[in-house]
Amino acid sequence: GAVVSQHPSWVICKSGTSVKIECRSLDFQATTMFWYRQFPKQSLMLMATSNEGSKATYEQGVEKDKFLINHASLTLSTLTVTSAHPEDSSFYICSARPESGGSTEAFFGQGTRLTVV
Amino acid sequence: GQQLNQSPQSMFIQEGEDVSMNCTSSSIFNTWLWYKQDPGEGPVLLIALYKAGELTSNGRLTAQFGITRKDSFLNISASIPSDVGIYFCAGRKTGNTPLVFGKGTRLSVIA
Repeated sequence: GAVVSQHPSWVICKSGTSVKIECRSLDFQATTMFWYRQFPKQSLMLMATSNEGSKATYEQGVEKDKFLINHASLTLSTLTVTSAHPEDSSFYICSARPESGGSTEAFFGQGTRLTVV
Repeated sequence: GQQLNQSPQSMFIQEGEDVSMNCTSSSIFNTWLWYKQDPGEGPVLLIALYKAGELTSNGRLTAQFGITRKDSFLNISASIPSDVGIYFCAGRKTGNTPLVFGKGTRLSVIA
């Protein structure tokens, strides 16, 4: 079945550094991918919609200069957390939906746990 | 952003019992989805609903798309320990618009 892979699964970084998270659709193409953030015991909150070949669409309250999204190909979107701070520590999850017709729903990556120290 | 109202927030049940959880919204959704999330993992799709009134099963799971398009429920019959996890409802209004998630129901099964 369709798989979405995130890398890394977890990362620890120092305050002030930047971290890049990759989201790959392994066996399908996706013009659109979504990035979510999830705090402990909370729901998934949409951060931004990643559009292949164009700028991402950010949700209200999400700083586009802090959370840089690049969707350079139909199978890869990256989220870069710039100048990370402890409050950016969270579980980041991406999802992608196959481009082919039909009602196939989005598949989620396994998530990336970011800890900023 | 908008969230769906999901209840209950948590449940503790005995193995073998049936479970029911639901999701409501003040606005109409054309697609209702139910996901399960295990700790440290991404959500996995359980059931997708596309038509008002639709009742769909997946093994011991049954979900229904409310006739008003503003609600959905998920039932799990004869619960087993591996049912433990967080269950999320999600709705989509149209096309490829992003999913809106409920706050989740944390299920614990006591053997």
